[in-house]
Amino acid sequence: QITLKESGPTLVKPTQTLTLTCTFSGFSLSTSGVGVGWIRQPPGKALEWLALIYWDDDKRYSPSLKSRLTITKDTSKNQVVLTMTNMDPVDTATYYCAQSRDYGDSYFDYWGQGTLVTVSS
Amino acid sequence: AIRMTQSPSSLSASTGDRVTITCRASQGISSYLAWYQQKPGKAPKLLIYAASTLQSGVPSRFSGSGSGTDFTLTISCLQSEDFATYYCQQYYSYPPSFGQGTKVEIK
Repeated sequence: QITLKESGPTLVKPTQTLTLTCTFSGFSLSTSGVGVGWIRQPPGKALEWLALIYWDDDKRYSPSLKSRLTITKDTSKNQVVLTMTNMDPVDTATYYCAQSRDYGDSYFDYWGQGTLVTVSS
Repeated sequence: AIRMTQSPSSLSASTGDRVTITCRASQGISSYLAWYQQKPGKAPKLLIYAASTLQSGVPSRFSGSGSGTDFTLTISCLQSEDFATYYCQQYYSYPPSFGQGTKVEIK
C-alpha cells in the first residue's frame, strides 16, 4: 500500500523560508523511474505543479519558481524535502506531495492528504 | 510552457446524465494527458492517464479520448459520488501543467 504524508509549518511569516517534508511508504525512491513531486493549490483555485525529483536525483522545477525552490531526497528515510524561500502571502496554499511512477510519464498516481500553509505576519 | 484550457468551468447535471468535459492544450501533446477528480478538502485522485487509459479501480463509466491538442473526459451515467471538480494535466513537456478545473454540480 502506497501512502504519502506532508509535514511542516502551518503558518509562516512573509520573507521566511518554508520547509516541507514528504514521508512516504510502499515504494522506494531508489527504484528506476520513480519520482516524487510537489503540487500546490491556493484556496479555491487550481492546481500548480512545483517540482519533482527522480530516483536518479534528476530534479525538475517550475520555471516561474525555480529561483526559490529546492527539492532533495533522503532515500534511506523515504523522505523528500521541498524548501521555498522568500515566502509571500500569495504562496498561501495547500501543498501536496505525490508519486510519479515512471520517468517521462510525470502524472501522479498517489497523493498525500495535503498540508495547508498560510503566509501571514 | 503549455497552457491547458478546460471547458466549461462549471456545469450542472443530474444523476444519470452523460457529462463531457473538454481540455485543450496550447500545443500538441500527443496522448500525454491525465485526468483527476478532486472532492472538497481532499487530494486529487487519478482517473485516466495516457489520454484514455483508466486507472485501476476507477469505474468504467469514466472514459477519456483525444490526442494532439483536444481531449475529452466523459462520465457516461453520472452518479452522486461523481459531483466534484475535474482537472486535466499534460505531461508531454516540462513543466507539467494543469487545467483550471471543471466543477460538476448537482442540478
